[in-house]
Amino acid sequence: QKEVEQNSGPLSVPEGAIASLNCTYSDRGSQSFFWYRQYSGKSPELIMFIYSNGDKEDGRFTAQLNKASQYVSLLIRDSQPSDSATYLCAVRVYGQNFVFGPGTRLSVLP
Amino acid sequence: NAGVTQTPKFRILKIGQSMTLQCTQDMNHNYMYWYRQDPGMGLKLIYYSVGAGITDKGEVPNGYNVSRSTTEDFPLRLELAAPSQTSVYFCASSYGIGGKSPLHFGNGTRLTVT
Repeated sequence: QKEVEQNSGPLSVPEGAIASLNCTYSDRGSQSFFWYRQYSGKSPELIMFIYSNGDKEDGRFTAQLNKASQYVSLLIRDSQPSDSATYLCAVRVYGQNFVFGPGTRLSVLP
Repeated sequence: NAGVTQTPKFRILKIGQSMTLQCTQDMNHNYMYWYRQDPGMGLKLIYYSVGAGITDKGEVPNGYNVSRSTTEDFPLRLELAAPSQTSVYFCASSYGIGGKSPLHFGNGTRLTVT
């Protein structure tokens, strides 16, 4: 059974701080890793994906991947109240379906 | 560019009724998916399709059926609705099976079975 785990939260950070969201996965064959943001009552929207070890930056967001530790994280710099949402981690083995974690609820306090 | 379009947005069904959730995409994606999301839970895969005429079961297929007669459309059929099917349903599509092919989601259908 492929599993993706996330801390359900809520994770509360003050405005302007760095929010760190973590995700672990069980299948060592996993090759692609995606972070989605989901506002309450809305559909998930893609923030970024990563498939190589190391860091990938996009604006205020940085995804970090460590395949040896089976760990992927998302850092949000200069957090804003508009970043308050649930963040879903999704993992994919090539040719297979996505496996989603349960999501981490982030609350950015003004 | 509409992306993935789902209808209806909301629906209330009585136990035992049937309905079809519609999904269409205009991105010429081969892969289409149906997920359900229960409160506070992650996304569970119901059915998926790798192309017209090809469908397969996901993690939670019981009580549902799908068809894929065209690349664009992937309707989800609920037969004999049960309260356990109360959920938010998302249709999604992706271009391929590789690592650079993320899922694109529709806006969801909120279904209540009473």
